[in-house]
Amino acid sequence: DAGITQSPRHKVTETGTPVTLRCHQTENHRYMYWYRQDPGHGLRLIHYSYGVKDTDKGEVSDGYSVSRSKTEDFLLTLESATSSQTSVYFCAMSGRADEQYFGPGTRLTVT
Amino acid sequence: AQKVTQAQTEISVVEKEDVTLDCVYETRDTTYYLFWYKQPPSGELVFLIRRNSFDEQNEISGRYSWNFQKSTSSFNFTITASQVVDSAVYFCALSEDYNQGGKLIFGQGTELSVKP
Repeated sequence: DAGITQSPRHKVTETGTPVTLRCHQTENHRYMYWYRQDPGHGLRLIHYSYGVKDTDKGEVSDGYSVSRSKTEDFLLTLESATSSQTSVYFCAMSGRADEQYFGPGTRLTVT
Repeated sequence: AQKVTQAQTEISVVEKEDVTLDCVYETRDTTYYLFWYKQPPSGELVFLIRRNSFDEQNEISGRYSWNFQKSTSSFNFTITASQVVDSAVYFCALSEDYNQGGKLIFGQGTELSVKP
């Protein structure tokens, strides 16, 4: 399998607390992505990265920030979690446009 | 704007029936990629196929086949002789911004239920 992992896999947190999700890859791919999956919406892009310290916003970036200090790690931070951020979060990586490898997902519940 | 539409939210079939999942896309790009992913009840995303915009040849892989028609901007997926193990949510996706590694735009997904 492609070497991409996510941690934690499940998290329950309270409204207003900060949360950081980690995505780690071992393939040295340039591009990394964070998506969220919600019923009726499929997967939607939150943020993406095209290199170390190079990131940009996606379709649903409000309330989220990202950082990429190393090629292998892409962090997604919810500065102050809200119930609307309850979702399943998927990280992905790619080396080019015709391939994307997804992590196993993180189920986040904000109470 | 780039968009992927999967109009069928849920489909239910009986085992051994054939089923077609529809996917219609919109893009301004001349170079793009189309994908199908399967998400079984366990939750992971399983890659099924990718197609580039210059290759309209239909593809068959076992019981799965894909029909790509640029004239109608469609990339439909057919499962022949469906099985219970085919029960899953299926996503169609479009890759944009080719020079930026290909961010994916997903359809809403079609939940397929195959009953014995």
